[in-house]
Amino acid sequence: DAGITQSPRHKVTETGTPVTLRCHQTENHRYMYWYRQDPGHGLRLIHYSYGVKDTDKGEVSDGYSVSRSKTEDFLLTLESATSSQTSVYFCAISESVNSNQPQHFGDGTRLSIL
Amino acid sequence: AQSVAQPEDQVNVAEGNPLTVKCTYSVSGNPYLFWYVQYPNRGLQFLLKYITGDNLVKGSYGFEAEFNKSQTSFHLKKPSALVSDSALYFCAVSPNYGQNFVFGPGTRLSVLP
Repeated sequence: DAGITQSPRHKVTETGTPVTLRCHQTENHRYMYWYRQDPGHGLRLIHYSYGVKDTDKGEVSDGYSVSRSKTEDFLLTLESATSSQTSVYFCAISESVNSNQPQHFGDGTRLSIL
Repeated sequence: AQSVAQPEDQVNVAEGNPLTVKCTYSVSGNPYLFWYVQYPNRGLQFLLKYITGDNLVKGSYGFEAEFNKSQTSFHLKKPSALVSDSALYFCAVSPNYGQNFVFGPGTRLSVLP
């Protein structure tokens, strides 16, 4: 398995609170991604990074921000969590921007917002 | 815009029987196609990919997939299902540039003993 660690693995919090999820990789891959997984929707891209301090928005970026200060860490922040952000969040990495290369996924963070 | 459809939410098959999980796609240009599997409380694991060449692609755990350009399909197959194949399966497509994967909604496969 690719060396990807997501923390925390589970979190329950209240509406309006800030939440930060962490993705840590030991593969030295340049590209990192945050997805959310919801029933019936598959995975949807929130934000991605193509290098340190280089990030861009994905399909469902509203309400989320990201930061990447080191190659190995990619943080996802919900500034003020809402119940619609209850989901399972996955981090992925890839070695290349070539679209014929697979992405490799962490084991996810299950986030519940009450 | 790219899209991926997995027309079956659930597929049930008896152990030892062949299985098929269906995927159709819409993308401009020549697509790259992927299958992933997800076990409970785990991330997605890469199974196989189609880039170019032979329409039958072989992957991990005895899975294979057949690319059909005229039908814009990429169905996942296995000749003899195992109970341990029970999981959630995702088809994904990416255009021939960048890493903008689009995932299908997933199909839950149940292999019954």
